[in-house]
Amino acid sequence: DIQMTQSPSTLSASVGDRVTITCRASQTISSWLAWYQQKPGKAPKFLIYKASSLESGVPSRFSGSGSGTEFTLTISSLQPDDFATYYCQQYNSSSRTFGQGTKVEIK
Amino acid sequence: QVQLVQSGAEVKNPGSSVKVSCKASGGTFSSYPISWVRQAPGHGLEWMGGIIPIYGTGDYAQKFQGRVTITTDESTNIVYMDLSSLRFEDTAVYYCARECSGGGCFGAFDIWGQGTVVTVSS
Repeated sequence: DIQMTQSPSTLSASVGDRVTITCRASQTISSWLAWYQQKPGKAPKFLIYKASSLESGVPSRFSGSGSGTEFTLTISSLQPDDFATYYCQQYNSSSRTFGQGTKVEIK
Repeated sequence: QVQLVQSGAEVKNPGSSVKVSCKASGGTFSSYPISWVRQAPGHGLEWMGGIIPIYGTGDYAQKFQGRVTITTDESTNIVYMDLSSLRFEDTAVYYCARECSGGGCFGAFDIWGQGTVVTVSS
């Protein structure tokens, strides 16, 4: 299986900060990468697909980049609603795998 | 807009089986792959397997091969996930999720069920 590794595991930030989360794949996945946001007790919310395409309705402060094995999710100006855990997921392989998650907490 | 509605919470004994359902409300999902993803308490998301309802053949993560079966009933728009030989470490929230169909997103999960809590306890 393709292993997905996110960093950092936890990130402390303030409202208005620019935040970047990294996701690395154990082998190349082209651009077949998605990002999700999850809040406690809720199902994940789909944010980005194909590494950089924003899902409809997702605020433009979210952006994604990368290809091959290294990817980033950036929140340009952190809002109170953005404090959550973020997961990357590869879909290059029919056996889908997720990163372990990055918790964005209030500083 | 399609919603995925899952069955209610379950409490099971070790060694038994659990069957969780996922119903499409407001539409159908016959041509969309449906996957099951679980999340143990305090842990991340783990893909278990998926199915394309019109084909009816499941594809499973190696970790769950032989223990999980995903089936579909097209007449009722329901997908089922059956997990056998339950262990304490199978205690988790189980989600069904639909793979999106747009350009470049086939394989990502755009619609999720609300989750079903499965507790394995003696």
